[in-house]
Amino acid sequence: TQLLEQSPQFLSIQEGENLTVYCNSSSVFSSLQWYRQEPGEGPVLLVTVVTGGEVKKLKRLTFQFGDARKDSSLHITAAQPGDTGLYLCAGRATSGTYKYIFGTGTRLKVLA
Amino acid sequence: EAGVAQSPRYKIIEKRQSVAFWCNPISGHATLYWYQQILGQGPKLLIQFQNNGVVDDSQLPKDRFSAERLKGVDSTLKIQPAKLEDSAVYLCASSLELAGGRDTQYFGPGTRLTVL
Repeated sequence: TQLLEQSPQFLSIQEGENLTVYCNSSSVFSSLQWYRQEPGEGPVLLVTVVTGGEVKKLKRLTFQFGDARKDSSLHITAAQPGDTGLYLCAGRATSGTYKYIFGTGTRLKVLA
Repeated sequence: EAGVAQSPRYKIIEKRQSVAFWCNPISGHATLYWYQQILGQGPKLLIQFQNNGVVDDSQLPKDRFSAERLKGVDSTLKIQPAKLEDSAVYLCASSLELAGGRDTQYFGPGTRLTVL
């Protein structure tokens, strides 16, 4: 069974601070996605990374896929209250039905 | 472009009762997913459809859960009978199947089920 562990589970920081969220597995994924989910809503896709070592930037957010395609990180620079939410990584299986396995989630709260 | 629609948004039932959820995906999206998200956890895939065929239902508790997508468009998920541990948000998502694993799942707002 493929599992994705995210750390930390909870993070409460002040506006302007930097943070990194990790998504780790012992399994290889064909691609990895990061989502943000706000209360009462479904997850919204932020980015998809496909190639080992791939780095993508989305304004103040930097996403990296591990070289072995088993892990990923999300770094936020100068966090803002609008970044508050549940961050989820989701890895796509490399065989079978190629389904997405979601991580355990990181709940971020940015205080003004 | 209209998003993924789900109804109802909230449902409260007693254990052993039955309940059904409805999802209308984005027009033209062949793939439809039902996920279960227990409070504080990431979504867990229950069933995936490609048009009106089942691609993956390996994590669907088939003794009590059923789902259908008869005309390859909207879908219903049913629980009968419900248990306390079924309390969760049920998310529907749809996607275009693109090559290279870069397809985007668009999620609906979810149905929050409380089983008392």
